Amino acid sequence: QKEVEQDPGPLSVPEGAIVSLNCTYSNSAFQYFMWYRQYSRKGPELLMYTYSSGNKEDGRFTAQVDKSSKYISLFIRDSQPSDSATYLCAMGRTGANSKLTFGKGITLSVRP
Amino acid sequence: NAGVTQTPKFQVLKTGQSMTLQCAQDMNHNSMYWYRQDPGMGLRLIYYSASEGTTDKGEVPNGYNVSRLNKREFSLRLESAAPSQTSVYFCASSHPLKNTVTDTQYFGPGTRLTVL
Repeated sequence: QKEVEQDPGPLSVPEGAIVSLNCTYSNSAFQYFMWYRQYSRKGPELLMYTYSSGNKEDGRFTAQVDKSSKYISLFIRDSQPSDSATYLCAMGRTGANSKLTFGKGITLSVRP
Repeated sequence: NAGVTQTPKFQVLKTGQSMTLQCAQDMNHNSMYWYRQDPGMGLRLIYYSASEGTTDKGEVPNGYNVSRLNKREFSLRLESAAPSQTSVYFCASSHPLKNTVTDTQYFGPGTRLTVL
């Protein structure tokens, strides 16, 4: 079993829809959970991060972590065409110089 | 701040040729990484360097070598390119997230490499 599994997609939604992106993981040592956004032909950039279980909101984006189920989600409200990108989940352990483990990414397309 | 820069942006090689991908960061980060990204495979770590003077293998190191020239620069070398090395290569550097004890990574724009 891969350490991090992410739905492969692709996902296409109409503008204004609520989008739910999800990842599951198997390693209980992960404490930090991140979402990266990657526009076409660009490098990934950090979108949000959370520590341990709970929710974190930033504008139209909400990151949710359920450590008991080893499940994380990113919700996008009122999705816009500019949200069209590949979204990668990433997870890290506590400690300096700790490497991240990435999901494979899901490509989201928001139709005008 | 330019962040993480990579050169070249595009490259076409013939099988057996060699080349070096260059990466530099101006954020004074200790750790640097090289990834390759292929459709359906996600980001796979090739090599990383936790600090100047140290390098370690990642998930897919075969066919590659690296050099941490100084704190700013981390290069990736393909000694004898193969078509299986056709990919998009990303360099990243990392530093601790604010008020945390874990790192997050900052990525360069990538190098698109085709090996014929």
